[in-house]
Amino acid sequence: GAVVSQHPSWVICKSGTSVKIECRSLDFQATTMFWYRQFPKQSLMLMATSNEGSKATYEQGVEKDKFLINHASLTLSTLTVTSAHPEDSSFYICSARAPGQGVWEQYFGPGTRLTVT
Amino acid sequence: GNSVTQMEGPVTLSEEAFLTINCTYTATGYPSLFWYVQYPGEGLQLLLKATKADDKGSNKGFEATYRKETTSFHLEKGSVQVSDSAVYFCALSSTGNQFYFGTGTSLTVIP
Repeated sequence: GAVVSQHPSWVICKSGTSVKIECRSLDFQATTMFWYRQFPKQSLMLMATSNEGSKATYEQGVEKDKFLINHASLTLSTLTVTSAHPEDSSFYICSARAPGQGVWEQYFGPGTRLTVT
Repeated sequence: GNSVTQMEGPVTLSEEAFLTINCTYTATGYPSLFWYVQYPGEGLQLLLKATKADDKGSNKGFEATYRKETTSFHLEKGSVQVSDSAVYFCALSSTGNQFYFGTGTSLTVIP
């Protein structure tokens, strides 16, 4: 099956710094990628949808200036958490979908654990 | 609005036991329903789906039936194996693009 990777798998950063998380589709071209976050014992919440070559669409309540998403190629999307604070500590998950596929044909990455100290 | 309520875990079962993980939903319109599984260190994988009322999704011995009258989509397996140990997520989609996930249920199967 299709594989999506994320890097890094975990990261610790200091408050006020920025951190970048990469999401790659390894064996297919992903015109659409999704970014989710998950707090402990809570469900995955969609943060934004990105389409290759265009600006990301953010869900209500998600600060687009804080969570910068770039989908510059058909196999790579990045999420940059700018000026990170402890409340941004969370589990970030991306998923990718090839053109013409249904909603269930999203392939998920293994997630990135971010801890802000 | 749309939401999914999933039974809390963790769940621990002995090998060959019967598994039920409860899932109920609230949705506008006529959603599609899904179960995803996440094995340690891996991404979520689609386990099964049902797109309309009374449909039964099945895969790898797991089954779930779309019950509109009770707004439920409970996951069942007749005889679990150690290799079924994972986190299971119930989800719905009513717009064709966005998922709404439950909180996940961790299952551990002991020999």
